[in-house]
Amino acid sequence: EPEVTQTPSHQVTQMGQEVILRCVPISNHLYFYWYRQILGQKVEFLVSFYNNEISEKSEIFDDQFSVERPDGSNFTLKIRSTKLEDSAMYFCASSEEGREDTQYFGPGTRLTVL
Amino acid sequence: KNEVEQSPQNLTAQEGEFITINCSYSVGISALHWLQQHPGGGIVSLFMLSSGKKKHGRLIATINIQEKHSSLHITASHPRDSAVYICAVRFGNQFYFGTGTSLTVIP
Repeated sequence: EPEVTQTPSHQVTQMGQEVILRCVPISNHLYFYWYRQILGQKVEFLVSFYNNEISEKSEIFDDQFSVERPDGSNFTLKIRSTKLEDSAMYFCASSEEGREDTQYFGPGTRLTVL
Repeated sequence: KNEVEQSPQNLTAQEGEFITINCSYSVGISALHWLQQHPGGGIVSLFMLSSGKKKHGRLIATINIQEKHSSLHITASHPRDSAVYICAVRFGNQFYFGTGTSLTVIP
């Protein structure tokens, strides 16, 4: 069964450094999402992406964040200058056109900012 | 903004028990999801509902649009059902999540 993959599974970085989290959505999916979950807290929506542009973003998704689909398979989340409070699990998800409400989640990347 | 509330926050059950987890939300939505998050952190989508009821194996999900309420039921619970169950609603193009219900099923 096709699945969403994410790399790395765990990323440790120093405060102020840039990080790029990578996701490979399911191949025929056209809607892509990033979520984050700070340890012990609820999952939060960050951004949705369709047709090579952001379709919706939350108030969390400020200028420090950006998303990109650099090629036909990858979908990335970049955090320009990481802060301690960016430490969280980041989940990527994707869905098919016409079935946007059914999302498939990746296993997550745990980001630790020191 | 949509407020999503789940109850209970924690639930311990004996194997075989019937379990109900509740979710309520504050504003009209286009869809509601039930998700399962395993102890390792991975998230699996269980159901997407916009009306009525859905059943998959021992899992049943219902939604009452007028009352802005959904329930997830697990029949004949099993230790492998132990996980966090999360309700999430789609409002416009944004998704809002509940804090989750941590379920532990004891053999």
